[in-house]
Amino acid sequence: DSGVTQTPKHLITATGQRVTLRCSPRSGDLSVYWYQQSLDQGLQFLIQYYNGEERAKGNILERFSAQQFPDLHSELNLSSLELGDSALYFCASSIGGQGAGETQYFGPGTRLLVL
Amino acid sequence: AQKVTQAQTEISVVEKEDVTLDCVYETRDTTYYLFWYKQPPSGELVFLIRRNSFDEQNEISGRYSWNFQKSTSSFNFTITASQVVDSAVYFCALSDPYNQGGKLIFGQGTELSVKP
Repeated sequence: DSGVTQTPKHLITATGQRVTLRCSPRSGDLSVYWYQQSLDQGLQFLIQYYNGEERAKGNILERFSAQQFPDLHSELNLSSLELGDSALYFCASSIGGQGAGETQYFGPGTRLLVL
Repeated sequence: AQKVTQAQTEISVVEKEDVTLDCVYETRDTTYYLFWYKQPPSGELVFLIRRNSFDEQNEISGRYSWNFQKSTSSFNFTITASQVVDSAVYFCALSDPYNQGGKLIFGQGTELSVKP
């Protein structure tokens, strides 16, 4: 158990809908990262938050947004869902987030299926 | 550009065989970090090792060992006396200062199947 929690574990929804994925980092970790894992794209970085502020952005679609709250938990919002958004979404956390090299500990993931 | 290549898509071995998973990386910087993660069939990503670019010593942890060679930009992972529980997808990843923040760039993964 990495200490990172994600809810829900599974999510089934329809095209055009909006969903929210939730992540709680390990105790003491200030950074949260979101990754998407799909068969065609592999593991792709989406976005990083450090102590409530956006730190880095990857290949995140405009339909997706995220935030980190004062208690350090994070939410990833996916809207106007398309079939291609079906994937496993991981949250990871690390102790800092100022630069490269910190070990990221991953949650169990949320498996999203868009029908 | 930063890139990680795991050329072996799938490997199948019989229990107790040794197996090596290859990882080749590309980066512009002299300071960087390499990682290995394991993704068992249950789906979670489990951290195995972190290595910085200034430490070229090989590392051994039980049946696992890692061979870091800067000259060939490789960070290979060997499992000695493999077991069925080692069956998983293994990912190599890179983090360097040219990436904003601390994002990881992952290889495509190697699926290891260990048969009894």
